[in-house]
Amino acid sequence: QLQLQESGPGLVKPSETLSLICSVSGDSITRSDYYWGWIRRPPGKGLEWIGTIYYSGSTYYNPSLRSRVTMSVDMSNNQFSLKLDSVTAADTAVYYCVRVFAMATIVTWGQGTLVSVSS
Amino acid sequence: EIVLTQSPDFQSVTPKEKVTITCRASQPIGSNLHWYQQKPDQSPKLLIKFATQSISGVPSRFSGSESGTDYTLTINGLEAEDAAMYYCHQSSTLPWTFGQGTKVEIK
Repeated sequence: QLQLQESGPGLVKPSETLSLICSVSGDSITRSDYYWGWIRRPPGKGLEWIGTIYYSGSTYYNPSLRSRVTMSVDMSNNQFSLKLDSVTAADTAVYYCVRVFAMATIVTWGQGTLVSVSS
Repeated sequence: EIVLTQSPDFQSVTPKEKVTITCRASQPIGSNLHWYQQKPDQSPKLLIKFATQSISGVPSRFSGSESGTDYTLTINGLEAEDAAMYYCHQSSTLPWTFGQGTKVEIK
């Protein structure tokens, strides 16, 4: 059974870069028709799509975050990552890594990791 | 960006009652609307895909329907384990967007 596990710092200083890795187990990150992505939920707010990536490197980012987001795939380690530059307190959220089928349905979610932005 | 508006924001329901949650899209999105359930301290879980299609392993009391740009999630015979937040999500147009969520509480 596929499992996703987020890892990374739980605290990031303002203006620095938030970096998270999602480790994929139970299947190959190169499986056809499956995309990988990040979604976040700020405290007391709803879900926000950050972006999605295919193993080939094709990326789709939320325009509201595009200037600060970079996603990548590491096929050798069956992982994918998120970098968010120049963070502010507004980037404080639970970050979920997800698997997406056919750029449509979010079929698997990681457990989520809380990242706080504070000095 | 397509805005999804869920109603109600909150619903307190007695077990065995029927629950309906509506998600209205600001533009046509076809059947590209999906429903997720998030229980406390858990990750969201896919309940219904493409407006009406059931998901393996999800109880049959959960169903979806659509009419124009209005989408409905129905829980027929609420059970205590259904206490959760429910979100709709559209994959028709980037950026993907979600409804604000509906909290279902058990009376």
